[in-house]
Amino acid sequence: QVHLQESGPGLVKPSETLSLTCTVAGYSITTFYYWGWIRQSPGKGLEWIGSVSLSGITYYTPSLKSRVTMSVDTSKNQFSLRLTSVTAADTALYYCVRVVSSASPFYYYMDVWGRGTTVTVSS
Amino acid sequence: SYELSQPPSVSVSPGQTASITCSGDKLGNKYVFWYQQRPGQSPALVMYQDNKRPSGIPQRFSGSNSGNTATLMITETQVMDEAHYYCQAWDSSTVVFGGGTDLAVL
Repeated sequence: QVHLQESGPGLVKPSETLSLTCTVAGYSITTFYYWGWIRQSPGKGLEWIGSVSLSGITYYTPSLKSRVTMSVDTSKNQFSLRLTSVTAADTALYYCVRVVSSASPFYYYMDVWGRGTTVTVSS
Repeated sequence: SYELSQPPSVSVSPGQTASITCSGDKLGNKYVFWYQQRPGQSPALVMYQDNKRPSGIPQRFSGSNSGNTATLMITETQVMDEAHYYCQAWDSSTVVFGGGTDLAVL
């Protein structure tokens, strides 16, 4: 059974960089092509941040594109998220997810979610 | 940018049928996915490709998608079905979520 575990600092100062890692357990990360990140601000809905493929192809939500970088490390069975120049608006519960995708027919969805890690942006 | 609209809340009595809608322009031309998020838990996929149930999801859950509206239907609703439900689609190389619907079973 696949388990995803987010890790990283729970507190980040404004203007600094948020860095999170997702460790894939019980499964090789190379078995699925895309992996992603989703966040949820306190009391709010889900916001897709983006996804990264094993070959480094990325999709980012337009509103965060200029500040986001995602990458995969197959040797560690991990993938990561970097979000630069954070503000209080980036305070949220961050989930890492496994993506199921197909080109024909086209579909793209998340079938496995981590438990999430809370990141607070504050000085 | 593409938007998906959901009613903020839906109420249903135990044993009755709950319908949660998700609306978007020509949504019927896209696949829709549904996630259930119980309080304090991570979201979980309950419907994929409009009307397919993942393993472990009861047959009480069904989905449809036509025109501009997708619907998640839960028959014989139980208290354990109380949760937030989010629809999701893909548009212009981005994932789009609906705002979520709070299902109250009372």
